[in-house]
Amino acid sequence: QITLRESGPPLVRPTQTLTLTCSISGFSLRSSGVGVGWVRQPPGGALEWLALIYWDETKRYRPPLQSRLSISKDTSRNQVVLTMTNMAAADTATYSCAHTTGDGYFDLWGRGTLVTVSA
Amino acid sequence: SYVLTQPPSLSVAPGQTARISCGGNDIGSYSVHWYQQKPGQAPVLVVFDNNRRPSGIPKRFSGTNSGVTVTLTISRVEAGDEADYYCQVWDSGGDHVVFGGGTKLTVL
Repeated sequence: QITLRESGPPLVRPTQTLTLTCSISGFSLRSSGVGVGWVRQPPGGALEWLALIYWDETKRYRPPLQSRLSISKDTSRNQVVLTMTNMAAADTATYSCAHTTGDGYFDLWGRGTLVTVSA
Repeated sequence: SYVLTQPPSLSVAPGQTARISCGGNDIGSYSVHWYQQKPGQAPVLVVFDNNRRPSGIPKRFSGTNSGVTVTLTISRVEAGDEADYYCQVWDSGGDHVVFGGGTKLTVL
């Protein structure tokens, strides 16, 4: 059974860097084609894709946010980490990670973690 | 960058058919995927590759991509289908994921 669970601080200050961890089970980050993506959703808003990392270390980022985002994986610890710099109030959202087999869609999602940016 | 357009809302009576559209430039050349998200819950994939259903998704959910129009169809709508629905593609030109703005389905 594939599961993903997000963890991170519920509150960050403006200009700080956010670090989120996606802990996975039921699949391996070494498996060919496998990827993990991050998606966020502002309160009452739509889904917004942020970043994606594949088994072979290929990385993709949302173009307008590319300079602020970094995604990495720790295969031995079964974790994917997303960092976002220079956080602002507009970045307040639920951040979720999701599994993909490389076919262009996310077949399983974590429940998400709410991050509030406020002084 | 590529943009997917969905109607913000749709209301349907129980037992009727809901048709949710997703528009984009040359969308016929894309594989379109659909997610259902109920309040407070994670999104669930209901259709992938235009018209394929993951295991466990009822046959009432179907998708079409005519080349001009992409539609998620929910037949015999039930109260439990009330949710937000999002379309999504992989934009190979930009090499990234794109979501539509979502459609809120209300079951009257």
